[in-house]
Amino acid sequence: GQNIDQPTEMTATEGAIVQINCTYQTSGFNGLFWYQQHAGEAPTFLSYNVLDGLEEKGRFSSFLSRSKGYSYLLLKELQMKDSASYLCAVKNSNYQLIWGAGTKLIIKP
Amino acid sequence: DAMVIQNPRYQVTQFGKPVTLSCSQTLNHNVMYWYQQKSSQAPKLLFHYYDKDFNNEADTPDNFQSRRPNTSFCFLDIRSPGLGDAAMYLCATSRGNSGSDEQYFGPGTRLTVT
Repeated sequence: GQNIDQPTEMTATEGAIVQINCTYQTSGFNGLFWYQQHAGEAPTFLSYNVLDGLEEKGRFSSFLSRSKGYSYLLLKELQMKDSASYLCAVKNSNYQLIWGAGTKLIIKP
Repeated sequence: DAMVIQNPRYQVTQFGKPVTLSCSQTLNHNVMYWYQQKSSQAPKLLFHYYDKDFNNEADTPDNFQSRRPNTSFCFLDIRSPGLGDAAMYLCATSRGNSGSDEQYFGPGTRLTVT
């Protein structure tokens, strides 16, 4: 089967750094996406990785290791508005997007 | 602004009463998707259209149907809603189906079944 594993919930402090991990087993690989989803709202695109390494975008960075089937999303200088769920999704060899259940990130003052 | 629009944002229907959810896009994207998402779960793809080509997921119940009359609009019909169909329904679009084509989501329709 195909699956994406992420921690269910994480807690971090405002101003700190947090790393959200994602491991995947899929039939083939055509890229990995991270989406942010605030409660009751639609997911919004954060990042896309298809090659190994780190992609940096402002306070958010995403890392990929294809050989390990592993990615992480790094959030720096956390703000209260970063409280949301973060979903990892992988495109398999058929270009289907396989979704994780998301990691709920709680930011405390 | 180019966007994905879903109406209504909240829909209440009775058990067994047909309901239609609508989605429109101004992005001129080729692909449109319908997802079902329940609380704290991953979005579950129901079906998608690539232009006029309809692709049904194997485990999508027959109770769910879809129509795409033109590039801009896509509808989700639930013929006989059950209590288990209460969920957030998300419409998404993408330019194409290649690896880097990200999906753009509408705000969702929250369906309640009474």
